Amino acid sequence: QKEVEQDPGPLSVPEGAIVSLNCTYSNSAFQYFMWYRQYSRKGPELLMYTYSSGNKEDGRFTAQVDKSSKYISLFIRDSQPSDSATYLCAMSDSDTDKLIFGTGTRLQVFP
Amino acid sequence: DTAVSQTPKYLVTQMGNDKSIKCEQNLGHDTMYWYKQDSKKFLKIMFSYNNKELIINETVPNRFSPKSPDKAHLNLHINSLELGDSAVYFCASSQGGRGGQPQHFGDGTRLSIL
Repeated sequence: QKEVEQDPGPLSVPEGAIVSLNCTYSNSAFQYFMWYRQYSRKGPELLMYTYSSGNKEDGRFTAQVDKSSKYISLFIRDSQPSDSATYLCAMSDSDTDKLIFGTGTRLQVFP
Repeated sequence: DTAVSQTPKYLVTQMGNDKSIKCEQNLGHDTMYWYKQDSKKFLKIMFSYNNKELIINETVPNRFSPKSPDKAHLNLHINSLELGDSAVYFCASSQGGRGGQPQHFGDGTRLSIL
């Protein structure tokens, strides 16, 4: 079993839809949780960063962390075709700066 | 200004050859990383350096040798290339230290072995 599990998709939604992307993990020591967006033939870019449990909102994006369930989510409101990309969750514990990534979910938003 | 830049962007070569990939960051970060991303998009760390010192060395064949001449540069040399080395290699950097520092990635080097 991988340390971080993520549904690979692809997830195909119409423009304007609310998108929910999720990851589950097994290591209870993880404290830092990130979402990266990766466009085709580009490097991952940091989208959201949260520490421990709770919610964080940035524009159309909301990140949620539920440490008791070992489950994190990224919500995208009013999705746009420009949101079409692969979304990778990543997490680490407090002892190292080593990031463990999920396998990524490919999202397609069609007009 | 590109924050993390890698060269070359594409590398096509024959099995058995030796090749190098270079990475430079202008963010003033202390730590740099090499990742390998396979065809299924799984991103796995290979190495990290903090101020020219090797910190993370995952289970990687010793044909792969990183070198950090200074904290702004991290190169990756690969000897005796094999078919299974075909992947996208990403360089990243962060402030370093403990506790999940956000990492900033380059756009990758696409390595294809013939």
